[in-house]
Amino acid sequence: GEDVEQSLFLSVREGDSSVINCTYTDSSSTYLYWYKQEPGAGLQLLTYIFSNMDMKQDQRLTVLLNKKDKHLSLRIADTQTGDSAIYFCAEGNAGNMLTFGGGTRLMVKP
Amino acid sequence: DTAVSQTPKYLVTQMGNDKSIKCEQNLGHDTMYWYKQDSKKFLKIMFSYNNKELIINETVPNRFSPKSPDKAHLNLHINSLELGDSAVYFCASSQVSDTDTQYFGPGTRLTVL
Repeated sequence: GEDVEQSLFLSVREGDSSVINCTYTDSSSTYLYWYKQEPGAGLQLLTYIFSNMDMKQDQRLTVLLNKKDKHLSLRIADTQTGDSAIYFCAEGNAGNMLTFGGGTRLMVKP
Repeated sequence: DTAVSQTPKYLVTQMGNDKSIKCEQNLGHDTMYWYKQDSKKFLKIMFSYNNKELIINETVPNRFSPKSPDKAHLNLHINSLELGDSAVYFCASSQVSDTDTQYFGPGTRLTVL
């Protein structure tokens, strides 16, 4: 079955760039997503990328997709304390069922 | 104005009880979902439903059943609650389109004692 993996934890200093990585196994994935979950809150869609794209940029966020290696990354430029949260990558297939990674907890130190 | 809403936000109940969690979306989407997030933050799809088809994750016990009174609502009914059902349950919705982007509700934290 599908599997999506992420590292558990990332710590950066305020103002630095954060890079959160994700690997997936389902080659039929149509879209790949990044969601943000703040403490006690629901999942907020940050961005998504279609599987035939290599890169997508949206303000401070840059998504890179290496389809050959099934590797997805989210780069947050100029990371702020408000970016502290859990970040989930997810892959969506033709059946529109999302498979989530385990989440990466980003801690931003002042 | 909330796009996807769930009630209640917190639910504490005894083992063996039957409970329901409600979900409503005002986005006009045609597909709704339920996800379970366990204590380790792992998110798993439970159900996907539109007015034509219910897709069930085969690992979900049949004590869980989605009920949809109309296109904007998908409620989750749980019979004979067990300790292991304690989790945060998220509802989501999407519209069949190029992106099928799913929008999530705020979650319902269920605690079974």
